[in-house]
Amino acid sequence: GAVVSQHPSRVICKSGTSVKIECRSLDFQATTMFWYRQFPKQSLMLMATSNEGSKATYEQGVEKDKFLINHASLTLSTLTVTSAHPEDSSFYICSAVAGQVYNEQFFGPGTRLTVL
Amino acid sequence: GENVEQHPSTLSVQEGDSAVIKCTYSDSASNYFPWYKQELGKGPQLIIDIRSNVGEKKDQRIAVTLNKTAKHFSLHITETQPEDSAVYFCAASRGNAGNMLTFGGGTRLMVKP
Repeated sequence: GAVVSQHPSRVICKSGTSVKIECRSLDFQATTMFWYRQFPKQSLMLMATSNEGSKATYEQGVEKDKFLINHASLTLSTLTVTSAHPEDSSFYICSAVAGQVYNEQFFGPGTRLTVL
Repeated sequence: GENVEQHPSTLSVQEGDSAVIKCTYSDSASNYFPWYKQELGKGPQLIIDIRSNVGEKKDQRIAVTLNKTAKHFSLHITETQPEDSAVYFCAASRGNAGNMLTFGGGTRLMVKP
């Protein structure tokens, strides 16, 4: 149980294009999902908190107009990187909260974004 | 806000030896402390967690201890195997569902056969 999937696993795009990443909780409902970015050999950096049916809460320094988050259902959240640039190249990981009381987060396998 | 420090940043052990990773946190209201294992190119995998109402939890070769007074918690891996080689992250959270995790900087564990 508690499986989270991400799609795509890897994407290469040209500078200026937009890329959508999907995060799905496969066997549980997640009212809250998180989006992280991870640069090589670094820890996970929280980008935003996504709650089903409401606007995402972005961490300081994360541009909400550049990283569009939609949490349309209890099993799906999407992150769209708009007008991507090479500095947006990173490993993007989502997590979903499975617990009802405690904050058990389960992570997706990540999406490697490379912007040329 | 919460601040989590993790040590060491790298750890090399011989197969069969034990490995210990330590974390400290700053927010006394934190009450949920998970540990994640991340292999290269993959997402973090929850391996064990502990809540503030217990001092120790064990799952086969893995154990976690928590000292709330000192605000530190540790991961213990016994009888290490090469497949234990990965990056390990500790995290802390105010444990209500939906609260963010604050991660430590990670420990790269290398188990030499």
